Amino acid sequence: GQQLNQSPQSMFIQEGEDVSMNCTSSSIFNTWLWYKQEPGEGPVLLIALYKAGELTSNGRLTAQFGITRKDSFLNISASIPSDVGIYFCAGPLRGGGSQGNLIFGKGTKLSVKP
Amino acid sequence: DAGITQSPRHKVTETGTPVTLRCHQTENHRYMYWYRQDPGHGLRLIHYSYGVKDTDKGEVSDGYSVSRSKTEDFLLTLESATSSQTSVYFCAISDRGGAATQYFGPGTRLTVL
Repeated sequence: GQQLNQSPQSMFIQEGEDVSMNCTSSSIFNTWLWYKQEPGEGPVLLIALYKAGELTSNGRLTAQFGITRKDSFLNISASIPSDVGIYFCAGPLRGGGSQGNLIFGKGTKLSVKP
Repeated sequence: DAGITQSPRHKVTETGTPVTLRCHQTENHRYMYWYRQDPGHGLRLIHYSYGVKDTDKGEVSDGYSVSRSKTEDFLLTLESATSSQTSVYFCAISDRGGAATQYFGPGTRLTVL
């Protein structure tokens, strides 16, 4: 079935370091979404990508839509303690796209040491 | 923040009892979704609604039913709760289909003993 594979599963970094994570699929996507979930909260949308090759920034966050349309990348520059959380990629669920159904990766858990 | 509330926020119940979770939105969005989140599985779609009285099954719908009698409310019912339904449940809303942005509620943590 359709799957989104995120890596790494978890990261432990020092404050100030840059972070890179990615999401891959065996099938083509026409949209990539990146969400962040903080402990005890629901996911919050960070960045949406709609075009192959697109590079979009949101503050210290930058996401890219891979040119093969089978992957996407999220980078965080100069990490700070409030970046802690789980980062999810998501894309349209095959056959459910017209209803807005999404499939989510299993997430990358980010821990930042001050 | 999108106006989405979920109730209750926490619930402990016993196996075999019926449970209803409520999602309420003030955004007048057409689409509403119920997900469950479990360690190692991420977010999985249970059911969704694309309008009042229009609902359909998602990836993990067995053991769950939904109803939407008003635009603002989407109810998720566990007819006879089982321990495998212990999870965190999230409601989400969207104003359009086609992989549009979904806004999530704060979640309900359900424990079935």
